[in-house]
Amino acid sequence: SAVISQKPSRDICQRGTSLTIQCQVDSQVTMMFWYRQQPGQSLTLIATANQGSEATYESGFVIDKFPISRPNLTFSTLTVSNMSPEDSSIYLCSVDLANEQFFGPGTRLTVL
Amino acid sequence: AQTVTQSQPEMSVQEAETVTLSCTYDTSESNYYLFWYKQPPSRQMILVIRQEAYKQQNATENRFSVNFQKAAKSFSLKISDSQLGDTAMYFCAFTLSNFGNEKLTFGTGTRLTIIP
Repeated sequence: SAVISQKPSRDICQRGTSLTIQCQVDSQVTMMFWYRQQPGQSLTLIATANQGSEATYESGFVIDKFPISRPNLTFSTLTVSNMSPEDSSIYLCSVDLANEQFFGPGTRLTVL
Repeated sequence: AQTVTQSQPEMSVQEAETVTLSCTYDTSESNYYLFWYKQPPSRQMILVIRQEAYKQQNATENRFSVNFQKAAKSFSLKISDSQLGDTAMYFCAFTLSNFGNEKLTFGTGTRLTIIP
């Protein structure tokens, strides 16, 4: 199994600012995934982060708004830039290990 | 593109009863993987059960079992002897790959409440 931690667990931010979310895994993994879960909604993939290359973004998500870093095989960051209230969501990272996707505990972001 | 549909936004059942959550999906692929995830109020996503499309036998995990109907593209979850701790959001999910490089596509979820 994989143990995934995320920092911060929650934050309240002002409109126009940026927040960087960290994801740490206790195993080396090739791919890391970032999902968004808007209030009362399902999970939507933002991007896939492959170590050593640019992240691949899903339709509706752009690098300028959600820049991602993947400096090594156990760590990734997602930045939510120039935030607006519509960015209020839970952000989750996940990894696939031994044919099972494990999720971090999520970061609950509230934008005022 | 693959889609996953959960037609039951909310369900409730008495403790110790059996409940079935529905899920349908759409894909043109023949090999894929289906999952049920549980998200309790703590918001931690927990894998409940997994089914490989090439396996005809339905997956089971203790009180949890699935009814996988490949031709009908249906993947329902049965929870037997339901417990209060089963109260959570349940998401059906789909992926094409077994190699860790494919995203999960999620349904909209079913909020399950177990009534004491």
